[in-house]
Amino acid sequence: DTAVSQTPKYLVTQMGNDKSIKCEQNLGHDTMYWYKQDSKKFLKIMFSYNNKELIINETVPNRFSPKSPDKAHLNLHINSLELGDSAVYFCASRGTGTPTLAKNIQYFGAGTRLSVL
Amino acid sequence: AQSVTQPDIHITVSEGASLELRCNYSYGATPYLFWYVQSPGQGLQLLLKYFSGDTLVQGIKGFEAEFKRSQSSFNLRKPSVHWSDAAEYFCAVSGGYQKVTFGTGTKLQVIP
Repeated sequence: DTAVSQTPKYLVTQMGNDKSIKCEQNLGHDTMYWYKQDSKKFLKIMFSYNNKELIINETVPNRFSPKSPDKAHLNLHINSLELGDSAVYFCASRGTGTPTLAKNIQYFGAGTRLSVL
Repeated sequence: AQSVTQPDIHITVSEGASLELRCNYSYGATPYLFWYVQSPGQGLQLLLKYFSGDTLVQGIKGFEAEFKRSQSSFNLRKPSVHWSDAAEYFCAVSGGYQKVTFGTGTKLQVIP
């Protein structure tokens, strides 16, 4: 029973296409994230939502649009895909317990490997 | 702004040898610190965390890390490495309840 699940696991597409990646967590967490991991394994935060509200929006092209229909889901839609968008995209959710227990621990999905040709 | 530095991009150790992965952080107050491991093709798994209290924290898979405020470090250690420990290791820091900043990772190779 996967805690944070992303679909699809692999996504191969042509430049200029529009694609979506879905993320769902069954941990009851309030906060979810999208990260981009480039070919050098550098992990960079893109967005964060708390209770369906955007709270972190790093410098990301506006071709990337996150959508959170409810606090258990955070989807990522990408318009007009470019070669440089090729990367592994990770979804994560954060615990909501007290600081000494679960809060601040992020649980990650297995990633979506996006290849733009 | 918070930041994390992992000075070693790639480390090779022999199976059974001890391991230390370095991590230095920058944050103005007491940070929350984490080590994550990423096996090939997998997501990130939390190894251990430091929030407060005892500066030596134990994690899963026999790993431990020590928080040293004076050195702004949170180095990861394991007394005897197994071949299955080969992976990418990420140190991370969080100053609050929002953003977690990751280091650039250290790739661990284990040779027989």
